[in-house]
Amino acid sequence: AQSVTQPDIHITVSEGASLELRCNYSYGATPYLFWYVQSPGQGLQLLLKYFSGDTLVQGIKGFEAEFKRSQSSFNLRKPSVHWSDAAEYFCAVGAGGGNKLVFGAGTILRVKS
Amino acid sequence: EADIYQTPRYLVIGTGKKITLECSQTMGHDKMYWYQQDPGMELHLIHYSYGVNSTEKGDLSSESTVSRIRTEHFPLTLESARPSHTSQYLCASSEWLGSGELFFGEGSRLTVL
Repeated sequence: AQSVTQPDIHITVSEGASLELRCNYSYGATPYLFWYVQSPGQGLQLLLKYFSGDTLVQGIKGFEAEFKRSQSSFNLRKPSVHWSDAAEYFCAVGAGGGNKLVFGAGTILRVKS
Repeated sequence: EADIYQTPRYLVIGTGKKITLECSQTMGHDKMYWYQQDPGMELHLIHYSYGVNSTEKGDLSSESTVSRIRTEHFPLTLESARPSHTSQYLCASSEWLGSGELFFGEGSRLTVL
């Protein structure tokens, strides 16, 4: 069965600093991987997704993520964090073809000025 | 921007009341989902539908029920609400094929007193 682990429940970074949020997945075949962001009181918005091809994918709001099959990881990065990036971030894995996604527990990002 | 809408956004009710959370999407997606979200926890799939007159229970057992009479509409009902039902409920939809990317509504936060 698919599973997703986000090891960090909370992360605090200074505005302007770089960011990396960790995501490890468990899945037997080639996964479809996603990062979503949720601002307080809102639904989830897709940041980026990986299906195949280039293992470094670019998303919205200056985010990128790198798929590393050998480490079963799909970490999210941003070179310079803005205060508006404070939110909760969810990693998810799926099988594609419209199958159900499995989500991690999320990482809450706090940005200090 | 995703076109999926949930009402009400916030609801506070007493124990024993019947409630219906509405979810509508204008994207023509066949697949629709209800997730339950509690603070610090994974999103748990409680119901999904692959089309009209198709409904299935998700990975997390729930006392709620759903119906899918029209493609665009996927309401969730609790016949007799209890404090244990207090949570945020997120509705999502996806295309039949493709990546499995989910488009989320803004959520309905339910509080049962």
